[in-house]
This record gives sequence, C-alpha cells and structure tokens, in this order.
Amino acid sequence: QQQVKQSPQSLIVQKGGISIINCAYENTAFDYFPWYQQFPGKGPALLIAIRPDVSEKKEGRFTISFNKSAKQFSLHIMDSQPGDSATYFCAASNEGGSQGNLIFGKGTKLSVKP
Amino acid sequence: DAGVIQSPRHEVTEMGQEVTLRCKPISGHDYLFWYRQTMMRGLELLIYFNNNVPIDDSGMPEDRFSAKMPNASFSTLKIQPSEPRDSAVYFCASSRTGTGVSNTEAFFGQGTRLTVV
Repeated sequence: QQQVKQSPQSLIVQKGGISIINCAYENTAFDYFPWYQQFPGKGPALLIAIRPDVSEKKEGRFTISFNKSAKQFSLHIMDSQPGDSATYFCAASNEGGSQGNLIFGKGTKLSVKP
Repeated sequence: DAGVIQSPRHEVTEMGQEVTLRCKPISGHDYLFWYRQTMMRGLELLIYFNNNVPIDDSGMPEDRFSAKMPNASFSTLKIQPSEPRDSAVYFCASSRTGTGVSNTEAFFGQGTRLTVV
C-alpha cells in the first residue's frame, strides 16, 4: 500500500519531442506528489510538485497531470532538450507539514538525443 | 545558503569497520532525513528527525545502523560493523515545516558514496 510504481524504466526521446513518465500509487492518504530530477553524481532536486486538489500543474516545459480517481500522476516534458537527460523520480508523501518523508518510485532514466 | 552539506563524498572501508557519515542541514530547516540509494531498491528513507528528535526510524535496516542529531546543524549516520551489502549512496535531506507546496520541499545533499570491501 505504500508503494509508488513508476514507468517506464528508461526512455529515449528526440530533441524537441515530448517525454512522458507515469506513476501510480495505492495509499489514498498521500497528499503531496513531487517529481525529482537527478543528474549523475548529484542528489535529487525538486522539479515540480502537486497536491491532489488540482488536476494539472505547469511550470515552464514541465507539467504534472494528476488523476485522483485512478490514483495516477504523470510528468510531461515538452520540447525535450539534451540537458533534460537525467533520472526522474516520482514520489508521494502524507506528512502534512513536512514534505521530506517521501516514498519514491524506482526512477526513469531519460535520454534526449540531439 | 550552501545547501545541505554531506561529508565525506566518498568512503571506502573494509568489512567490519565503523563508518560515520555526516550531514549539515540548511539553516532554519527543522526536519532532517537520511536516505539510501541502491540500484536494486532505489531511494529508501532510513530515518528522519524533527527538531533534533528522531520521529521514525522504521527504515533503518538493522541494529548496525544508528543516527544522531545532537543539534540543529549536525547529524551523523553510523554503521558498525559495516558489511559489503551496505555499499550504497547515502543522502541527507532537510526541509522546514510549512503548509504550502513550494515552501516545504526537501533539499538533498550531494550524497556519500560508501563502498565496503
């Protein structure tokens, strides 16, 4: 019930294309859904996050789509660039005031080809 | 702010030795988290503190692992004795109490890559 399932494991996209990564969760008590980006040798960094009271959040080229009834959420990267090549993790939390107690998906390694 | 600072960045030790990983959270943050990252298990929460008090250590794999936070600006994760299966990247993260999506995010350090031979 605490799992967050992420797919695909790896993704190759051409420059300018759309990258889509999907996650599903079981625990309906989760109330915070962030996406983290990790480059080799670095720690994860928050990319964008959403709460379940909205169905979509957009920040620049990055959009989270959230489907509460299906218990799924996804990350869309528009106009993907080679600099977006990294590992992306979805996560979920139900800790109210602190958003660091996170259940992470297994990650998606994105490669954007020039 | 310099962000979350972890030391050392890399540690190679022999099986059976004691290993201590260190973390300095971002000033003003009242939550501190220790995570472990492996290829097989991904990112796992080991333990977290609020105002220097351990809140949940259910992710600590064994009694060989212990963590302390003697003050608001320092925490340690100790493994004694270390084993080859403890080899992983250990991350420290910190955050602050809040109510918004954008002001309570967890900031991660660069990690400590531990190799136990």
